[in-house]
Amino acid sequence: NAGVTQTPKFRILKIGQSMTLQCTQDMNHNYMYWYRQDPGMGLKLIYYSVGAGITDKGEVPNGYNVSRSTTEDFPLRLELAAPSQTSVYFCASSLQGSSGEQFFGPGTRLTVL
Amino acid sequence: DQQVKQNSPSLSVQEGRISILNCDYTNSMFDYFLWYKKYPAEGPTFLISISSIKDKNEDGRFTVFLNKSAKHLSLHIVPSQPGDSAVYFCSSQASGTYKYIFGTGTRLKVLA
Repeated sequence: NAGVTQTPKFRILKIGQSMTLQCTQDMNHNYMYWYRQDPGMGLKLIYYSVGAGITDKGEVPNGYNVSRSTTEDFPLRLELAAPSQTSVYFCASSLQGSSGEQFFGPGTRLTVL
Repeated sequence: DQQVKQNSPSLSVQEGRISILNCDYTNSMFDYFLWYKKYPAEGPTFLISISSIKDKNEDGRFTVFLNKSAKHLSLHIVPSQPGDSAVYFCSSQASGTYKYIFGTGTRLKVLA
């Protein structure tokens, strides 16, 4: 099992560019999450999904979009990148939606200049 | 509005001694609590959890204590080892939701 994989590991974007952060899990988990971590801060939930075709906003969804067409994949789309989106992005999955541990990917470090 | 607070950004402990990491929360609807450990350039990994129906959960060297009346939980690591040096995040979930709220983390350094 590869667990949760994320691509790319690093990316530099110019202001106004768009990109998609990829996330795949091979554990057949229904629940998937996207977080961002700013320096010295905790993880903030951007979006989450409770299953294929179902997504919902987290604490900081502005500037992002997600889709969930399969159980395995949960891509995060950034439209019109801004310097405030410079952060480390983590994808996670869990077997249970409540009272369960999350499995995290290694993260994507994004810089917007 | 910081619902989960880890007020100590860093902690240094001698190898073999006890490490105590603290976490406070404000939302009385939180009923499940987790601790994650994070090494640099890696994603967080799950360490231990506790449900609000318990006040203690133990797993090897790691014990989590929950004081619901004080809205406080703590993670005890005994004995501390150099490999425990990492950032520790406290996370909480409210009943009936799928959202987890994370604290800002405590950087633990275990000195050999």
